Amino acid sequence: DTAVSQTPKYLVTQMGNDKSIKCEQNLGHDTMYWYKQDSKKFLKIMFSYNNKELIINETVPNRFSPKSPDKAHLNLHINSLELGDSAVYFCASSQGEGLKTQYFGPGTRLLVL
Amino acid sequence: DQQVKQNSPSLSVQEGRISILNCDYTNSMFDYFLWYKKYPAEGPTFLISISSIKDKNEDGRFTVFLNKSAKHLSLHIVPSQPGDSAVYFCAARGRGAGNMLTFGGGTRLMVKP
Repeated sequence: DTAVSQTPKYLVTQMGNDKSIKCEQNLGHDTMYWYKQDSKKFLKIMFSYNNKELIINETVPNRFSPKSPDKAHLNLHINSLELGDSAVYFCASSQGEGLKTQYFGPGTRLLVL
Repeated sequence: DQQVKQNSPSLSVQEGRISILNCDYTNSMFDYFLWYKKYPAEGPTFLISISSIKDKNEDGRFTVFLNKSAKHLSLHIVPSQPGDSAVYFCAARGRGAGNMLTFGGGTRLMVKP
């Protein structure tokens, strides 16, 4: 009964490929997020999404795009993967807007060769 | 330009003693602060938070102090237990930021038995 789950847990791929990471939450939350943890261990927000709006961190390349088939899912698509995309990607969710606690998934470790 | 900084990458404390983790921020628009705890190969888990209108919030062994004039917050854990050994992230939310969080680089806490 994992609250926020991500698949796959590990992803190794070649430069130039297109890949997707899936995220599902069973908490009934209406807002979901993607974070990237780089090699220096900094967690950086990439996207915030609810049924009303998508907020994009301006530093995120447009090769990255979130797709939400329904409220419980927010998948991350990455086109033309680059070496610098290697990182751990965390999905999170929260209920409502404002000052709400975010619950994180276990992370997906992406390695681009 | 890191807006949230945790200047101590690691901290070692004896079991039963107090652990004090520090966090500094530069953005005066931050109005809500959180501490997350992270074990290896897991996502961050929420620990405690504080609104900018308060200067202290306590939850069991965990207390967060906020000094707005110094743009500084700290997490106190007392008494420290070996199970508290983890990486602790400080995070902040800016007004109107869509609940997107800015994280510090983390402090690894080791509690020795």
